[in-house]
Amino acid sequence: EAGVAQSPRYKIIEKRQSVAFWCNPISGHATLYWYQQILGQGPKLLIQFQNNGVVDDSQLPKDRFSAERLKGVDSTLKIQPAKLEDSAVYLCASSLKLGGEFFGPGTRLTVL
Amino acid sequence: GDSVTQMEGPVTLSEEAFLTINCTYTATGYPSLFWYVQYPGEGLQLLLKATKADDKGSNKGFEATYRKETTSFHLEKGSVQVSDSAVYFCALGGSGGYQKVTFGTGTKLQVIP
Repeated sequence: EAGVAQSPRYKIIEKRQSVAFWCNPISGHATLYWYQQILGQGPKLLIQFQNNGVVDDSQLPKDRFSAERLKGVDSTLKIQPAKLEDSAVYLCASSLKLGGEFFGPGTRLTVL
Repeated sequence: GDSVTQMEGPVTLSEEAFLTINCTYTATGYPSLFWYVQYPGEGLQLLLKATKADDKGSNKGFEATYRKETTSFHLEKGSVQVSDSAVYFCALGGSGGYQKVTFGTGTKLQVIP
């Protein structure tokens, strides 16, 4: 089966600019996650969707980050405006059930 | 809140050596426990899991036993190979009825021939 797709794979922007990431989960997976992985750290959950509803966004910096999942399939994560500390790999994952998360390859963001 | 603590790396071993990567957790309720692996240049993959106390997860020669009394889930392999070189993440989820997965900081393993 096809895996979780993410784009772009790499992005370099200057601080205060905006950026958007896209994720296409595995077909049929109702749960979709966005994680932030800063170099040398484990992934940190930013937001979790169940279909197109938000289940958990407690660690999403809502003043600058936003995410949506239209029609319960694809999702976009946006940062506006970006800060230097947003430099990280942004991982998208999807699952049918807990412990069955499939991760995408990630988008490496560098903020200069 | 939920948290996972795992041993810091990097861990460097010779091929065929025994591997242990320690992991302890703090959680409310009765979480499921996981080990994920991230090979160089690849995405995160689930390596093994255990859903209740005394369960043993195993895959590709790796094992980990859910120890409720010591709140631990140590990863072991009897004989590592160069191809096992990767970053290993301990994680927990399902605590309190939520699906949220909390990851440790990762342990880099390097196996030399």
